[in-house]
Amino acid sequence: GGIITQTPKFLIGQEGQKLTLKCQQNFNHDTMYWYRQDSGKGLRLIYYSITENDLQKGDLSEGYDASREKKSSFSLTVTSAQKNEMAVFLCASSRDNQDTQYFGPGTRLLVL
Amino acid sequence: QQKVQQSPESLTVSEGAMASLNCTFSDGTSDNFRWYRQHSGKGLEVLVSIFSDGEKEEGRFTAHLNRASLHVSLHIREPQPSDSAVYLCAMSTDTGYQNFYFGKGTSLTVIP
Repeated sequence: GGIITQTPKFLIGQEGQKLTLKCQQNFNHDTMYWYRQDSGKGLRLIYYSITENDLQKGDLSEGYDASREKKSSFSLTVTSAQKNEMAVFLCASSRDNQDTQYFGPGTRLLVL
Repeated sequence: QQKVQQSPESLTVSEGAMASLNCTFSDGTSDNFRWYRQHSGKGLEVLVSIFSDGEKEEGRFTAHLNRASLHVSLHIREPQPSDSAVYLCAMSTDTGYQNFYFGKGTSLTVIP
């Protein structure tokens, strides 16, 4: 078994602030993902990475940067937080392109 | 346009009665479908993955896929109060690395 850890659990930011969310997995999975979950909108893919130093844009990449410096970690940066923004950011990993994605517990973002 | 539609939005069943959740999708070329469960405040837990028409059973969870009618369902046998959660349907059309589209979820409540 393995685990996906996301930090922080809760993130409160100011409008315009740059905010970074971190994700670690010990499955030794190659592929990692960042999703945004909004109430009433389901999950939307922001970025994914198929290996260390790789980045692929998802449907919602605008306003975000990502970084995969190590196989085990994948960071997401909100480049300029929007006021009244509230969402859950979910990190996931999978062994390869055919395998199931396993999800972390999420980071809850609130922008004041 | 939402690629994945789930129904109903919410469902209440009695403990032990079958629970049935539905998902329709807009792309008939999809070949990779997943049902996930999300307990309040937690990450996603994969329940069933299905890749071809027919039925796939994982414990008390059975998925039925009919690509001709653009429909995949999840049936939960003998649901328990601990099954109360949001259930998410996801599909991927990528033959390469997975870009999954998620539905908005069905909120299931199982009453004792």
